[in-house]
Amino acid sequence: EVQLVESGGGLVQPGRSLRLSCKASGFTFGNYALSWFRQAPGKGLEWVGFIRDKSYGGTTEYAASVKGRFTISRDDSKSIAYLQMNSLKTEDTALYYCTRDTSTLEYWGQGTLVTVSS
Amino acid sequence: DIQMTQSPSSLSASVGDRVTITCQASQDISKYLNWYQQKPGKAPKLLIYDASNLETGVPSRFSGSGSATYFTFTISSLQPEDIGTYYCQQSDNLPFTFGPGTKVDIK
Repeated sequence: EVQLVESGGGLVQPGRSLRLSCKASGFTFGNYALSWFRQAPGKGLEWVGFIRDKSYGGTTEYAASVKGRFTISRDDSKSIAYLQMNSLKTEDTALYYCTRDTSTLEYWGQGTLVTVSS
Repeated sequence: DIQMTQSPSSLSASVGDRVTITCQASQDISKYLNWYQQKPGKAPKLLIYDASNLETGVPSRFSGSGSATYFTFTISSLQPEDIGTYYCQQSDNLPFTFGPGTKVDIK
């Protein structure tokens, strides 16, 4: 059974950093891209970015709203993807989801809540 | 960026009713349109991919159609468990964008 479990969320002050993790199981992690999405409270869904698998160079893509501040990485030996979030802003407050693949999103985690507030 | 619009923003229908949601893209996205259902406090669930393909395990009362810029999503006979918010999402061009959602409830 495919499972994705996010962790690392919490309350953080504006300008600070936070790293989210997405632990995967039930599939060959290294063969898949991993994506991050977010959903602000009471709002819709927003794509954050993704990291390709190693056969595609493990390269990354980001939404304009986070480019230069957020970094996605992966550790295939641990089946974990990371979302490093720097220079956080109040508008980054959201539930962050990781998903397997990039475009047709069959598997989602349960999400981890990030609150950016002073 | 490709803008996605959905209509209506919300609807209330009776059990057994046929429900249709439309989604329009600001440019041609071919068949690369997915539909998701999200229930309160839960992650989105993929229902339809590539405009008209039913995801495995999803009831056949759900269907999708369309291409290019205009797409429709239909529930042929609304059931109580179908309440939630439905989102379309284009997967043709980065950044992948979602519609604003359609909230469905039971009358």
